[in-house]
Amino acid sequence: GESVGLHLPTLSVQEGDNSIINCAYSNSASDYFIWYKQESGKGPQFIIDIRSNMDKRQGQRVTVLLNKTVKHLSLQIAATQPGDSAVYFCAEIRSGYALNFGKGTSLLVTP
Amino acid sequence: DSGVTQTPKHLITATGQRVTLRCSPRSGDLSVYWYQQSLDQGLQFLIQYYNGEERAKGNILERFSAQQFPDLHSELNLSSLELGDSALYFCASSVVASLTGELFFGEGSRLTVL
Repeated sequence: GESVGLHLPTLSVQEGDNSIINCAYSNSASDYFIWYKQESGKGPQFIIDIRSNMDKRQGQRVTVLLNKTVKHLSLQIAATQPGDSAVYFCAEIRSGYALNFGKGTSLLVTP
Repeated sequence: DSGVTQTPKHLITATGQRVTLRCSPRSGDLSVYWYQQSLDQGLQFLIQYYNGEERAKGNILERFSAQQFPDLHSELNLSSLELGDSALYFCASSVVASLTGELFFGEGSRLTVL
């Protein structure tokens, strides 16, 4: 079926290390991808997006990589900080409408 | 603060009952989205309205309905509630009709059905 899934449900990293959160998608027609972060007790917050005609996009301390060949998306967080602890969701967009975000990956930053 | 306001924050009710969740989008945003978040299903898109009109439907049950009013606030009505409807319900808003940019999420309404 068509779905967005996350490889790892939980990820633990040490403060200062780089984090990589992965996401697989199955529909090659998806033309837009978004990463969201959800802190405990809050709603999801936009982090970064990437269009299917791009391979890489950088933001502040975050980089999203898109590999259309294997239908894989990743979010890299540089110098991870305690405030980065949250659940991270990826979402694929087709025809301008959001699909389900999936369960997310929980990132835990340890001192 | 995203600028999206949801009420109530918490709601406890019984099976078979009906509840209404309310959402006020960010000032200037015409599009409102409703999402359901549960532990086993993740964040599921329910329905979208744009400037008062239904724009897209996702995994919304027939027992659920929504509308967007002229002042752009939206309500999600959940009826004949079942235990499995217990979840966090998020509203999000955006300026445009098509989802090609950032969505601003509220802090959610937590529904518990006993």
